[in-house]
Amino acid sequence: EPEVTQTPSHQVTQMGQEVILRCVPISNHLYFYWYRQILGQKVEFLVSFYNNEISEKSEIFDDQFSVERPDGSNFTLKIRSTKLEDSAMYFCASSEARFSAGISYEQYFGPGTRLTVT
Amino acid sequence: QQQVKQSPQSLIVQKGGISIINCAYENTAFDYFPWYQQFPGKGPALLIAIRPDVSEKKEGRFTISFNKSAKQFSLHIMDSQPGDSATYFCAASMRPSQGNLIFGKGTKLSVKP
Repeated sequence: EPEVTQTPSHQVTQMGQEVILRCVPISNHLYFYWYRQILGQKVEFLVSFYNNEISEKSEIFDDQFSVERPDGSNFTLKIRSTKLEDSAMYFCASSEARFSAGISYEQYFGPGTRLTVT
Repeated sequence: QQQVKQSPQSLIVQKGGISIINCAYENTAFDYFPWYQQFPGKGPALLIAIRPDVSEKKEGRFTISFNKSAKQFSLHIMDSQPGDSATYFCAASMRPSQGNLIFGKGTKLSVKP
């Protein structure tokens, strides 16, 4: 069964450093998302991406964050200068199509990357 | 208005019992209500989802009940098993949103043998 994969599974970085989290969405999916989950808290939407541009972003997704689809398979989240409060699980998700016209398309989540900022 | 409120925060059920988790929302623009199951160290996995044009959806032991007028929906797990022990999140999404999901805070379910 196709699945979303993410690397690395755990990333430890020092405050102020740049990190890149990588995701390989399901191959025929067109919409991509990043969510984060601070330990013990709910999953929060960061950004959605379609056709090589950001579709929507939350208040959390400030100028420190960027996303990119550098090739036909990878989808990356970059945090330019990490802060302690960026420590969280980061989940990539993908869906076959966009929620529209009364049709809902399921989002499939990857296993996550645990980011620890020290 | 963007929130989805979930209760209880934790739930302990005996094997074979019924687990019930409730969610409430305010924004009537929400149009899609999925439930996700998450095991420790794993990503959320879609369990079952419902649209507001139906009042109930059942898949195996899992049932969503939806009350549009009360703006509430709930997950029922029948014949709960120890393997169901996980954290369950309700979520909501609205058109013409890009599809971003707004999650509840989660319910940690423990099913005792």
